[in-house]
Amino acid sequence: EVQLVESGGGLVKPGGSLRLSCAASGFTFSSFSMNWVRQAPGKGLEWVSSTDSGSRSIYYADSVKGRFTISRDNAKNSLYLQMNSLRAEDTAVYYCARATTLAGIAASGSGYWGRGTLVTVSS
Amino acid sequence: QSVLTQPPSASGTPGQRVTISCSGSRSNIGSRTVNWYQQLPGTAPKLLIYTNNQRPSGVPDRFSGSKSGTSASLAISGLQSEDEADYYCAAWDDSLNGYVFGTGTKVTVL
Repeated sequence: EVQLVESGGGLVKPGGSLRLSCAASGFTFSSFSMNWVRQAPGKGLEWVSSTDSGSRSIYYADSVKGRFTISRDNAKNSLYLQMNSLRAEDTAVYYCARATTLAGIAASGSGYWGRGTLVTVSS
Repeated sequence: QSVLTQPPSASGTPGQRVTISCSGSRSNIGSRTVNWYQQLPGTAPKLLIYTNNQRPSGVPDRFSGSKSGTSASLAISGLQSEDEADYYCAAWDDSLNGYVFGTGTKVTVL
């Protein structure tokens, strides 16, 4: 069974940093593209960042470019999101999600999601 | 401001057919495949339709997707009370070089 478990969320002051982790199990992690998606309280879904299986192709939403860094450790079956220069508008539940198929997220979307971790940016 | 536009709400009585539209442009729906997600209150999103019209294992065939030009649609036939949720379309956007979600549609079962 595919499992994705996020951790690392919490309360941080504006301008601060936080590192999210996503532990994956139940599939060959090194074969699939992964992404982070967030949802601000009472708002819709917003894609944050994606990485292909080998970290060769990495993409970011304009809203986080230059502040967030996605990475993965295929040996540890883990995905990460380093978030710097955090702003109040970054407050959201952050989901880790896996591409549905080997074709990747662009072609087949995200078929598996974690439960999310809440990040609150407030003074 | 999302580049994929959906109606904010849709509703129907049990057993009815409900359709949700998703309007995009040539750089996203017009040149890429569309995926649809369902989000029940307080839960993570769930993939309903991928690659325009494919259902993941376990998704009832009451849900169907289609695409034409720069628009896509999700149809729910035989509406049930458990279908009450938020629905999002999504696609890769070649101009933005990123994945975009629709504005979301809240479906209410009357």
